[in-house]
Amino acid sequence: EAGVTQFPSHSVIEKGQTVTLRCDPISGHDNLYWYRRVMGKEIKFLLHFVKESKQDESGMPNNRFLAERTGGTYSTLKVQPAELEDSGVYFCASSHRAGAFNEQFFGPGTRLTVL
Amino acid sequence: AQSVTQLDSQVPVFEEAPVELRCNYSSSVSVYLFWYVQYPNQGLQLLLKYLSGSTLVKGINGFEAEFNKSQTSFHLRKPSVHISDTAEYFCAVSYILTGGGNKLTFGTGTQLKVEL
Repeated sequence: EAGVTQFPSHSVIEKGQTVTLRCDPISGHDNLYWYRRVMGKEIKFLLHFVKESKQDESGMPNNRFLAERTGGTYSTLKVQPAELEDSGVYFCASSHRAGAFNEQFFGPGTRLTVL
Repeated sequence: AQSVTQLDSQVPVFEEAPVELRCNYSSSVSVYLFWYVQYPNQGLQLLLKYLSGSTLVKGINGFEAEFNKSQTSFHLRKPSVHISDTAEYFCAVSYILTGGGNKLTFGTGTQLKVEL
C-alpha cells in the first residue's frame, strides 16, 4: 500500500511568487490534513478535509493560503503571494476515519524556502 | 486549549544506554496521546499511542511510554538505544474538532542523537 506522497520535496521561490504544493493521500482515506512546521517550532495544524469538503480551516494563517481537494482525492495548497515567514516544512496527513483516536499517516513533507 | 511541552530540544546519549524523552500536556478534556518519530528525510511515523486502558503503552522499535494523569505526562522510554534511533521525536495530543474531525497538537520535538 502506497503511503502519503507530497510534491515537490523542496521548493525555493522568491517573495511575491506563487507556489502550489500537492498531497496524495493513502487510497481510500477520506480525511486529509495539512500541517506546517516553521523554523524548528512545533508542527501546527492548518486544515482538515473530509472528502472534498473543508471541515475545519481554523489553522490557516491568512487569506494568502488556499487549499483545495477537488474530487476528494489529492489536495493542493497554494500560497499566493509568498512571504518570507511562509518558509517551513508543510506536511500532509491522511486517515481513514476521523476521530481523536485515529492514526494520521504523514507524508515526507515539502520544504518551502521563500527568499 | 490543549498544549504539549517537550522541555528537551536535544538529548545526546551513548549507544546501549537508556533514554527518556519527556512530554507534558495540558488539556481540559479527555486526551489521546501520541508519539511520532521523524527519521532524516522521511515523514512522521507513529511510534505508539495512548487511548485508554493500561497506562503503560508499548510501541515499535522497543519504545514504551507511560501515561500519568496526575502529572499530566507521557514520557517516552527505551531501555537500550541503537544508532538507528537517531531521529526527532514528537509528542502530540489529539482532540476532536467541531466538525467531527480531529487535529494533532504537537510539542516542539526532541532531537535524539545516539553516539558510539
